[in-house]
Amino acid sequence: GQQVMQIPQYQHVQEGEDFTTYCNSSTTLSNIQWYKQRPGGHPVFLIQLVKSGEVKKQKRLTFQFGEAKKNSSLHITATQTTDVGTYFCADGTSYGKLTFGQGTILTVHP
Amino acid sequence: SAVISQKPSRDICQRGTSLTIQCQVDSQVTMMFWYRQQPGQSLTLIATANQGSEATYESGFVIDKFPISRPNLTFSTLTVSNMSPEDSSIYLCSALTSGLYNEQFFGPGTRLTVL
Repeated sequence: GQQVMQIPQYQHVQEGEDFTTYCNSSTTLSNIQWYKQRPGGHPVFLIQLVKSGEVKKQKRLTFQFGEAKKNSSLHITATQTTDVGTYFCADGTSYGKLTFGQGTILTVHP
Repeated sequence: SAVISQKPSRDICQRGTSLTIQCQVDSQVTMMFWYRQQPGQSLTLIATANQGSEATYESGFVIDKFPISRPNLTFSTLTVSNMSPEDSSIYLCSALTSGLYNEQFFGPGTRLTVL
């Protein structure tokens, strides 16, 4: 898989504020996946994006795949304390094999 | 979906010894993988566990250090051989099902500390 850069590394927000994490690749990705890992837990699949410019929503979460399929973002509206965890993007270009970004650790202060 | 269990959940080992980690999936899956995750860090793929044949290792990982077995479609083992403190990490297995999405299901991980 290709190297995927993810920013920011950390994000501290007050409950109710929005949160966004970004992933960038130097090469075109066939698909990108997003995972959430709660503290002490294991990664859990959130979504897969495949199409150029694709936008998918899951309740307060909005996922975007760039037109050039080289970048992606995850936006959470009105964060809650249950959103705490590390959010990873992962390049799924090589079938089955995932290359993970560095992850963004989200802390939500009540 | 798939439910994955790993044994042991954690272990503390002495330098120079070996530990075998077991991964059991509750259904037949197409592919199984082993990852390593340093605390607070991202996941790094170690190898793809191939059923009935030798595992496929990623750059920086070798069979002598991380022998892997996958005797059937639901079970795999990873051995961490001749351990050193640098091997202290969380080891996770994952499985890819033949569903609509290429989502991977992860086991709970094995937290290894090498003294």
